[in-house]
Amino acid sequence: SAVISQKPSRDICQRGTSLTIQCQVDSQVTMMFWYRQQPGQSLTLIATANQGSEATYESGFVIDKFPISRPNLTFSTLTVSNMSPEDSSIYLCSATGGETGELFFGEGSRLTVL
Amino acid sequence: EDQVTQSPEALRLQEGESSSLNCSYTVSGLRGLFWYRQDPGKGPEFLFTLYSAGEEKEKERLKATLTKKESFLHITAPKPEDSATYLCAVRFGNNRKLIWGLGTSLAVNP
Repeated sequence: SAVISQKPSRDICQRGTSLTIQCQVDSQVTMMFWYRQQPGQSLTLIATANQGSEATYESGFVIDKFPISRPNLTFSTLTVSNMSPEDSSIYLCSATGGETGELFFGEGSRLTVL
Repeated sequence: EDQVTQSPEALRLQEGESSSLNCSYTVSGLRGLFWYRQDPGKGPEFLFTLYSAGEEKEKERLKATLTKKESFLHITAPKPEDSATYLCAVRFGNNRKLIWGLGTSLAVNP
């Protein structure tokens, strides 16, 4: 199984600012994903981080708001741009691994926007 | 509509009181049903993958089963450390991404 480290684990930000979340995997992985988890809602996939090319965004998420980098097979970043209180959420990095293609998750980054 | 529904939303048990959590799905071409455990302030932790009706997986006090319409996570003689939110997700058809349920919040009282 892959061990995934995220930072920051939590942050409080002002409206209109941007925050970059880092995700480090302890082994090379093909697929990395970014999820959002809001209270009362199911895990929502933001985008698939592709190594060497642009991320693939899900419906409702755009690159200008959530730019993603994937410079290599073990690292990715998610930026939440021009934040508003509605962006307050837990952001989770994940990667596929194991024999059955299951997802492994980081500890999450809890973001509060004032 | 492709959907995953978990029930109950919340469950409170006494230590040693066995019970089951349910995950029902309405998708075509199931390619895998996944169970995760999530503790407060942590990311989801993978528990099981089930692929076909009749399949069962076990880990300590947990046993997951799968039918054509739903999966059950049976918890036998639970302990307080089993308290967590249990999430279910499915992969289906040609989709790479998962559809997630809302989870069941389990509390086991000593």
